[in-house]
Amino acid sequence: EVQLVESGGGLVKPGGSLRLSCAGYGFSFTNAWVSWVRQAPGKGLEWVGRIKSKTDGETTDFAAPVKGRFTISKDDSKNTVYLQMNSLKAEDTAVYYCTTHYCSSTNCYNYFDYWGQGTQVAVSS
Amino acid sequence: DIQMTQSPSTLSASVGDRVTITCRASQSISIWLAWYQQKPGKAPKLLIYKASSLESGVPSRFSGSGSGTEFTLTISGLQPDDLATYYCSQYNTYVTFGGGTKVEIK
Repeated sequence: EVQLVESGGGLVKPGGSLRLSCAGYGFSFTNAWVSWVRQAPGKGLEWVGRIKSKTDGETTDFAAPVKGRFTISKDDSKNTVYLQMNSLKAEDTAVYYCTTHYCSSTNCYNYFDYWGQGTQVAVSS
Repeated sequence: DIQMTQSPSTLSASVGDRVTITCRASQSISIWLAWYQQKPGKAPKLLIYKASSLESGVPSRFSGSGSGTEFTLTISGLQPDDLATYYCSQYNTYVTFGGGTKVEIK
C-alpha cells in the first residue's frame, strides 16, 4: 500500500526556518515527481512547489509566493523528500501536504494521485 | 498565471439530487483539468483527471466534462458520504486550484 508520511511541522517565529520531511512507503521515489501543496486555515488548496525525478533532471519549480524562500530536495536512499522553508512569514501558516504526481510508463503529469495526511506549520511571534 | 474560478462556493442539496459544480479557467487549458474531493480534516482525494476520466475506485455517480475554459463536475444521485469540499485544478501550466465548492446535505 502506498503511503506518504509528512513530519517536521511546528511553531516558528517570523523570519525563521523549518524543514518538512515526506517519507514514502510501498513505492520508490526514484521515478516519482513530488509536490507540496498547502492549505491555510479555513482556506483552499495552494500548490507550493515540485521536484521531478532524477530521470527528469530532479529540477524544481515553485509558486510565486514562495520562490526564493523555499527549496525542495530528495534523498532516494531514504525514500524521502524535503521542503526547506526559510524567511517564513505569517501567511505561510498552513497544513502542508506531500503528494505524488501521476506518472505513466512514459510521462508524468501535474495532477496528484497519492497524498500524505499533512503537517501543520504555524508562523507567529 | 492561470486563474481558476469555481461556482457556487457552497451548495446544499438532498440525498438523491443531481449536483453540478462549474469551474472556469482564465485561459484555455485544453482538457488538463482534475477534480479533487476533500472531506473535513482529511487530505484531498483525486476523483477525475483529464477533465472526464474517472480515477480508479471512484463511484460512477461522479462525472466530469468540458474543455478549453469551461468544466463541470456532476454528482448523479448525491449520497451522504459526498459531504465534502470539491476543488478543480488546472495542470496545463504548473498547477492552480479553484477556490472550492462546499457541498452540504439538506
